[in-house]
Parts: sequence; C-alpha cells; structure tokens
Amino acid sequence: DGGITQSPKYLFRKEGQNVTLSCEQNLNHDAMYWYRQDPGQGLRLIYYSQIVNDFQKGDIAEGYSVSREKKESFPLTVTSAQKNPTAFYLCASSLNGPATNEKLFFGSGTQLSVL
Amino acid sequence: GDSVTQMEGPVTLSEEAFLTINCTYTATGYPSLFWYVQYPGEGLQLLLKATKADDKGSNKGFEATYRKETTSFHLEKGSVQVSDSAVYFCALGYSTLTFGKGTMLLVSP
Repeated sequence: DGGITQSPKYLFRKEGQNVTLSCEQNLNHDAMYWYRQDPGQGLRLIYYSQIVNDFQKGDIAEGYSVSREKKESFPLTVTSAQKNPTAFYLCASSLNGPATNEKLFFGSGTQLSVL
Repeated sequence: GDSVTQMEGPVTLSEEAFLTINCTYTATGYPSLFWYVQYPGEGLQLLLKATKADDKGSNKGFEATYRKETTSFHLEKGSVQVSDSAVYFCALGYSTLTFGKGTMLLVSP
C-alpha cells in the first residue's frame, strides 16, 4: 500500500541532544512537509520541500533542520537550539509543489518528549 | 497575514444530531479552502475542499460551502455517528496551508 511512514512513533530527547525524525513516502510525490502540532494550537509549518535537494523554511523553522537527498525521504532533525521541542510532529506530502493547493497526505505522526 | 478561526470545542452531540462547526478566514485574494479530520493518534485526512467562491465540497455526508461574502467555510452534517468523533481542522491555502486550531467533536450513542 502506498503511503507515508513516520518513525519512531514515540521519541524522547535529553537536554542538549539532537534527535532525528524519519519520514518516508512511496507515493512518488514531489513535495514534502513537516508540521508541528501542539495541543489546542493547530498545525504550524516547520519546513517544506518541493523537489530533491531543495527546501524552504516555514513559519517556525528555528531550532530545526531538514535534508532532501532522496525523493522518498525527508528527515527532520530537532536540534538542541529548539528549547521547547515537546510536540506531535506530522510529515505530509503532495503530488506536486505546494503552489498547486493539492491534497496533503499525512503520516501518523511522532510524539517527541523531553526527558 | 492569512488566518483561520474555528469555533472552540469540544462539540458534544448525541448520535443522529445535526452538526455545524464554524470556520471563518482572513486572506488576501481567493484561497482554496479545506476541511481535514484527525482521528486519535493519527495524522490528518482530507475530508473535503472547495477552490472558488460558492463551491460546495462534500464527502461522507459532510458538506461545506465557500462563502466569499462572509469569508466562511462552515462544516455541516445532517446526522452524526459515533464514528465521526475526531478533531476537525479548517485550512486555507495559496501555496502552503494555514490551519485553524481544530475543533474536537464528541458523539455519544
């Protein structure tokens, strides 16, 4: 079945540690996104990528980094500079670039907590 | 900037009741409008969308009409089921999507 796979489902970070969240898609989509979801706050865009080897900052990129070396993969690193990382992180993809306003397909999310 | 405002939840209904979740937006130009649904512990799924004024999106008994004059995109369903219990997000988009804060719906038997 085609879809988006996020791993791990739960992740714990120690102070000063960088952690990486995995996102893989087999939908052959060009565009991929990372959102952060906090209780009662909706979703906020961290980074997005329209094509391999290219990515753009979203609304809350500080303290995060991404790479897009392969079409299928868009990992998110939460760095130690992110002082409030506890949240539910959602990865998404769309067939073409975001400018087309297409349907987003979401993964099932990773819950990151700070120890 | 662009923004979406949804009614606060939770919305608590009995099975077969009528549902309305209000959504209004602020935007320059004419964005597309979406409703996404999130079931517990899962990602979001597109429920319906409308791309221009007076368009009606519909899916699984849910409907929403793009009202430019009132900048609204209210979600409605004539008869809710327990399985409709979830969080509903209104969103608008030109390039990337801007989401509302979500409205939790709880349906009891």
